Amino acid sequence: EVQLVESGGGLVKPGGSLRLSCAASGFTFSSYSMNWVRQAPGKGLEWVSSISSSSSYIYYADSVKGRFTISRDNAKNSLYLQMNSLRAEDTAVYYCATAVSSAFDYWGQGTLVTVSS
Amino acid sequence: QSVLTQPPSVSAAPGQKVTISCSGSSSNIGNNYVSWYQQLPGTAPKLLIYENNKRPSGIPDRFSGSKSGTSATLGITGLQTGDEADYYCGTWDSSLSAPFGGGTKLTVL
Repeated sequence: EVQLVESGGGLVKPGGSLRLSCAASGFTFSSYSMNWVRQAPGKGLEWVSSISSSSSYIYYADSVKGRFTISRDNAKNSLYLQMNSLRAEDTAVYYCATAVSSAFDYWGQGTLVTVSS
Repeated sequence: QSVLTQPPSVSAAPGQKVTISCSGSSSNIGNNYVSWYQQLPGTAPKLLIYENNKRPSGIPDRFSGSKSGTSATLGITGLQTGDEADYYCGTWDSSLSAPFGGGTKLTVL
């Protein structure tokens, strides 16, 4: 059974930093692209970033480019999102999701990030 | 606003059929696969349809997807109260991003 478990969310002040983690199990993590998708309170889904299986290809939404860094450790079956210079508009539930097909096949339960003074 | 346009809400009676549209452009839907996601209240999104019209294992055939040009449609037949949820379309874009639609709230009357 595929499992994705996010962690690392919490309350942070504007301008602060946070590192999210996503622990994967139940599939061959090193074979698939991974993604971060977020959802602000009461709002829709917003794609944040994608990383290919070997980290060769990395993409970011314009809204986070230059502030967020996606990475992965295939030996640890883990995905990360380093978030710097956080803003109030970054407040959201952050989901990690696999990309086995061309879609986001499996999702974690999400971790809440709140940016507030 | 979202790159992909969905109606904010749709409704239908139990047992009926409903369709949800998703409109994009040649840079996204027109040249890429479309996927659909169901988000039940308080839960993570779940993949319903991938590659325009394929259903993952475990998704009932009451759910269907189609694509024509720069638009896509999700169809749900035999509506059940348990289908009340937010539905999102998604795709990839030539700008190397992965936009979602704004979401459609389905109410089963």
